[in-house]
Amino acid sequence: TQLLEQSPQFLSIQEGENLTVYCNSSSVFSSLQWYRQEPGEGPVLLVTVVTGGEVKKLKRLTFQFGDARKDSSLHITAAQPGDTGLYLCAGAGFSGGSNYKLTFGKGTLLTVNP
Amino acid sequence: DAGVIQSPRHEVTEMGQEVTLRCKPISGHNSLFWYRQTMMRGLELLIYFNNNVPIDDSGMPEDRFSAKMPNASFSTLKIQPSEPRDSAVYFCASSLGSGSFRTEAFFGQGTRLTVV
Repeated sequence: TQLLEQSPQFLSIQEGENLTVYCNSSSVFSSLQWYRQEPGEGPVLLVTVVTGGEVKKLKRLTFQFGDARKDSSLHITAAQPGDTGLYLCAGAGFSGGSNYKLTFGKGTLLTVNP
Repeated sequence: DAGVIQSPRHEVTEMGQEVTLRCKPISGHNSLFWYRQTMMRGLELLIYFNNNVPIDDSGMPEDRFSAKMPNASFSTLKIQPSEPRDSAVYFCASSLGSGSFRTEAFFGQGTRLTVV
């Protein structure tokens, strides 16, 4: 059983479209991170959200942490080919456990076509 | 800063052989993590070191896997004997602080291991 479920698993869109990917769990996390991974590279941190209901914006990317700290979403406005990659969510402090232990979802593989 | 450096980038070995993966964390970081990534299981934490001491190795699959951190600038992950099911991309990551993930984890480029 996957602690963090990400959806959709695959997403292929045209340049300029908007999209939202989701990260859901039945468990509470003390914080949640979003990473982007490009082929042949390691994941790179995009953002960390800590407070339930928190919204953070990073240029065209908007991240939201659910009120109950069990879920999160990533919205991309006007997607560009450079946004292509595997988007991973990772939760820390699962059900009050250790904060160093990051539990990763399997990711959403996003392809933005020119 | 060169970031987290892993070697080799690719490793192909025969079943039963010993494999050693290497990692140099970012200077000044005191937490080091080894992860394994597969299509089926995604990214899994294998072991976590803080100040060179193994804190949590509950993710290490079995006794064939071992990890060491003899000093702050070097860590190894060893598989002996290797099996085809060990084929995966292995990542090393480092971070500042005690491992709280309010701080950023920096990943290396990974080692793609293929056991035939």
